[in-house]
Amino acid sequence: GAVVSQHPSRVICKSGTSVKIECRSLDFQATTMFWYRQFPKQSLMLMATSNEGSKATYEQGVEKDKFLINHASLTLSTLTVTSAHPEDSSFYICSAGNGQGNSRAFFGQGTRLTVV
Amino acid sequence: KQEVTQIPAALSVPEGENLVLNCSFTDSAIYNLQWFRQDPGKGLTSLLLIQSSQREQTSGRLNASLDKSSGRSTLYIAASQPGDSATYLCAVITNQAGTALIFGKGTTLSVSS
Repeated sequence: GAVVSQHPSRVICKSGTSVKIECRSLDFQATTMFWYRQFPKQSLMLMATSNEGSKATYEQGVEKDKFLINHASLTLSTLTVTSAHPEDSSFYICSAGNGQGNSRAFFGQGTRLTVV
Repeated sequence: KQEVTQIPAALSVPEGENLVLNCSFTDSAIYNLQWFRQDPGKGLTSLLLIQSSQREQTSGRLNASLDKSSGRSTLYIAASQPGDSATYLCAVITNQAGTALIFGKGTTLSVSS
């Protein structure tokens, strides 16, 4: 099956700094990638949809200036949490697909972000 | 707005039991439904994918059914093992353009030996 690699798996940063998370599709081209956030004991909530070569589409309530998404190639999308605060501490996970509604979604391993 | 609900939220069973996890969704116009497994602090492992035209999928001890008209899916786990302990998530895609999955909150399963 297709492989999606997410890095780093775990990061601890100081409040006010920025953190970049990478999501790569290793053996297929992903025209669309999705970024989710999961708080403890909650389900995954979509943050934004990342489309190669165009601006990301953010879900309601997600600050686009705080969560910067770049999808510069068909195999890489990045999520940068800018000026991170403790309330941004969460599990962030990406998924990739080929843009078809009936395709299986493949997920990265997730990134546990802790802001201290 | 599509909403996905999973019942029960948590389940504890002794090893060897057969069990059923339930998933319901409010909008029956889905394109596919996936069941995932998530271990604590880990990413998601896709277990089964059911296309909208299908009624069930099987993989080993797992069987997932889909009744689109009633907005329900079940995940059946046969002869449960301690290694099955994890959170099981149900998710649907509702847009042909391949928009994001909409997840339920999951069922946390604990299988004791």
